[in-house]
Amino acid sequence: DAMVIQNPRYQVTQFGKPVTLSCSQTLNHNVMYWYQQKSSQAPKLLFHYYDKDFNNEADTPDNFQSRRPNTSFCFLDIRSPGLGDAAMYLCATSGTGVRNTEAFFGQGTRLTVV
Amino acid sequence: GEDVEQSLFLSVREGDSSVINCTYTDSSSTYLYWYKQEPGAGLQLLTYIFSNMDMKQDQRLTVLLNKKDKHLSLRIADTQTGDSAIYFCAESRGYSTLTFGKGTMLLVSP
Repeated sequence: DAMVIQNPRYQVTQFGKPVTLSCSQTLNHNVMYWYQQKSSQAPKLLFHYYDKDFNNEADTPDNFQSRRPNTSFCFLDIRSPGLGDAAMYLCATSGTGVRNTEAFFGQGTRLTVV
Repeated sequence: GEDVEQSLFLSVREGDSSVINCTYTDSSSTYLYWYKQEPGAGLQLLTYIFSNMDMKQDQRLTVLLNKKDKHLSLRIADTQTGDSAIYFCAESRGYSTLTFGKGTMLLVSP
């Protein structure tokens, strides 16, 4: 059973047109993450939520925002997508205890900007 | 700053052992991970090791950690064609804010 679900799997958006990617989890984990993975590169952490607390990485562009309305859902908003934002976007969740630090990843949403 | 490095490509024959190497720079890393990514898919956690361990074995997978040299390796015994994928090394200091290497593409030929 899928535990971290990302929708859609593939998203095509126009240059400059706002787009939202969604992630949901059935694990009841405290922490939800968004990673960006460009072609042939390492996944790069954009930000994460620890419960309701938002933690932005220092080098994440302002163009990227996130919302977490409840424990189960987290959204990635790209306000004005540029061609350089085309990538795979990976959502992950984890607990925070010593014994449940494993991050569970969704299948990813591949974003194409045209 | 944090940096995780891996060799980019490894080719082996089916049935051989594969060894994928990784180096990291952050001495405060608490967990080190190996993830597998198949084409078009998300990341699947294979195994992880806590920083106070030297070795962890899980079926065909053996992880070795040399904390002094900040070197991590993943050995896959009896490699199968289904093991062909990209393998990412990652480290974290806290829960799971991960810093990944660029990945090693493993190609297993029959």
